[in-house]
Amino acid sequence: AQKITQTQPGMFVQEKEAVTLDCTYDTSDPSYGLFWYKQPSSGEMIFLIYQGSYDQQNATEGRYSLNFQKARKSANLVISASQLGDSAMYFCAMREGGSQGNLIFGKGTKLSVKP
Amino acid sequence: GAGVSQSPSNKVTEKGKDVELRCDPISGHTALYWYRQSLGQGLEFLIYFQGNSAPDKSGLPSDRFSAERTGGSVSTLTIQRTQQEDSAVYLCASSYNRGEYSPLHFGNGTRLTVT
Repeated sequence: AQKITQTQPGMFVQEKEAVTLDCTYDTSDPSYGLFWYKQPSSGEMIFLIYQGSYDQQNATEGRYSLNFQKARKSANLVISASQLGDSAMYFCAMREGGSQGNLIFGKGTKLSVKP
Repeated sequence: GAGVSQSPSNKVTEKGKDVELRCDPISGHTALYWYRQSLGQGLEFLIYFQGNSAPDKSGLPSDRFSAERTGGSVSTLTIQRTQQEDSAVYLCASSYNRGEYSPLHFGNGTRLTVT
């Protein structure tokens, strides 16, 4: 079974609007971290935002926020006020506490921002 | 430098030749990871180092792949007798430790093309 599922291969959003990128995860480890990365066409992997399994509040970082619903095992990324520069691949990833610490990645969502 | 540094950024090699990819992690980061990303695909975990030791090498695709890390810092990934299916972007990442709450910081990758 996949540990990280991103069901949206591609998404379009109008500039200045908000968009939600979906991510569900599967783990039996009580302690884990959830991460979102952005990969523009240049190829670099840019860390955006993090949510710990014990965090009570949803993480926010500028225009990025993470809608963390622990019971549903979902960690959706919300980008507010989309900009053209937000066009990129977005990867959801998880690190489990009982593991060697490698990030397990989803297959990614390609976001395209339309002017 | 402040970030993870990888070299070379691009490498074109003939089938059957050996290649060596280098990663210089962020200073003070004890955990180091290698991933591979084929064109349009997600990230495939290869190997992880904690200090100089690699507890789990099961992610390496074949025995043509090997990696080492010296002095708890620089790591090299070596591919012997390269094949065309080895063509991919090889990404290195480091984190402060292997704990689930530390983000991985990625280098810009080495794009390997085997002709």
